[in-house]
Amino acid sequence: NAGVTQTPKFRILKIGQSMTLQCTQDMNHNYMYWYRQDPGMGLKLIYYSVGAGITDKGEVPNGYNVSRSTTEDFPLRLELAAPSQTSVYFCASSYSGAGGGGGELFFGEGSRLTVL
Amino acid sequence: KQEVTQIPAALSVPEGENLVLNCSFTDSAIYNLQWFRQDPGKGLTSLLLIQSSQREQTSGRLNASLDKSSGRSTLYIAASQPGDSATYLCAGITSGTYKYIFGTGTRLKVLA
Repeated sequence: NAGVTQTPKFRILKIGQSMTLQCTQDMNHNYMYWYRQDPGMGLKLIYYSVGAGITDKGEVPNGYNVSRSTTEDFPLRLELAAPSQTSVYFCASSYSGAGGGGGELFFGEGSRLTVL
Repeated sequence: KQEVTQIPAALSVPEGENLVLNCSFTDSAIYNLQWFRQDPGKGLTSLLLIQSSQREQTSGRLNASLDKSSGRSTLYIAASQPGDSATYLCAGITSGTYKYIFGTGTRLKVLA
């Protein structure tokens, strides 16, 4: 049981390049999330998904796209990378609790992205 | 819009002290609340989860409580140790939504 797995762990991009951060979970969780964390700051929600085929914007979605074709995978796509997207990206998942809302949140180890 | 404030932002204490970290939400309709620990350059480790029907949770030297009427949570750390040095983050999910919203964290340093 690997939990939440993110790849790559580190990446350097040039301005204008595109890339996809991969996230997969093996806990059969229906909720999945992408957060970014800037130095000295808390986590900001980029996108989330409540099940396969369903995604929605969080607090800071601009410059990103997501898809959720399977329960396990929730990739985050960066189009036309900008220096402002330099950050640490965390993927998380949870099981939907009875009555709605999320259960315990489990995190991946993060992907550190630098845009130069 | 839900906003989360954590007080204090930073804390430095001698080993052995009992301490309290605070977390407050602008919207008090919190469904679940979770406390995390983050070491420098690392991911988030879940410490305690308070679910909708609960008011507090305990794990070892840690105790977390949630006052749903005020939207405030406290994390109590007993007999602090240098190994407790880390950033502590709280996150809550509001009833009727699916989004966990995070505070900016409290940076704790326990001095030997």
